[in-house]
Amino acid sequence: EDQVTQSPEALRLQEGESSSLNCSYTVSGLRGLFWYRQDPGKGPEFLFTLYSAGEEKEKERLKATLTKKESFLHITAPKPEDSATYLCAAYSGGYNKLIFGAGTRLAVHP
Amino acid sequence: DVKVTQSSRYLVKRTGEKVFLECVQDMDHENMFWYRQDPGLGLRLIYFSYDVKMKEKGDIPEGYSVSREKKERFSLILESASTNQTSMYLCASSSWDSNQPQHFGDGTRLSIL
Repeated sequence: EDQVTQSPEALRLQEGESSSLNCSYTVSGLRGLFWYRQDPGKGPEFLFTLYSAGEEKEKERLKATLTKKESFLHITAPKPEDSATYLCAAYSGGYNKLIFGAGTRLAVHP
Repeated sequence: DVKVTQSSRYLVKRTGEKVFLECVQDMDHENMFWYRQDPGLGLRLIYFSYDVKMKEKGDIPEGYSVSREKKERFSLILESASTNQTSMYLCASSSWDSNQPQHFGDGTRLSIL
């Protein structure tokens, strides 16, 4: 069964304290790995798509990487405005259906 | 920018009622999706549609139905609402191109009393 698991469930950081979020997947024939950010009371907002092992993408303080079994979202020198829930989702084909992980709740304190 | 609009942010209904959740997208996307989001469970796909009048069951379709009469609009129907359908409901749309991400609305928080 295709599955996506995110860890940790929750992460508390001090401002400027870099860390990584993990997304492990068991999906046959991965065709894309998506990262989203979700603020409270809002829908998920698209961040990145990764397609093949070794690929990396960056946006401001965020960098996403992909291996054959997992993806990491690295957050460098986070700020309080980076506080949100981060979701990853795997796509293995068929009408763009995504399999989502449960998310990591990130809190960055000043 | 893609805009996906859900008709209600908050909705309170009673058990047994028929409930309609509406979603409209403005990007001429072929695919539209309905998810529910519960703490610790992530987003679970209820139904999706890849064309007008076409629909496919997702992972948890029981107790729900959908309607897509126009390309831009996708409706989720709770035939007879029950308390276990209290949840956050999210609508999304995407183009046919699998390289393009799904874009989400801001959700409807539905409470069934």
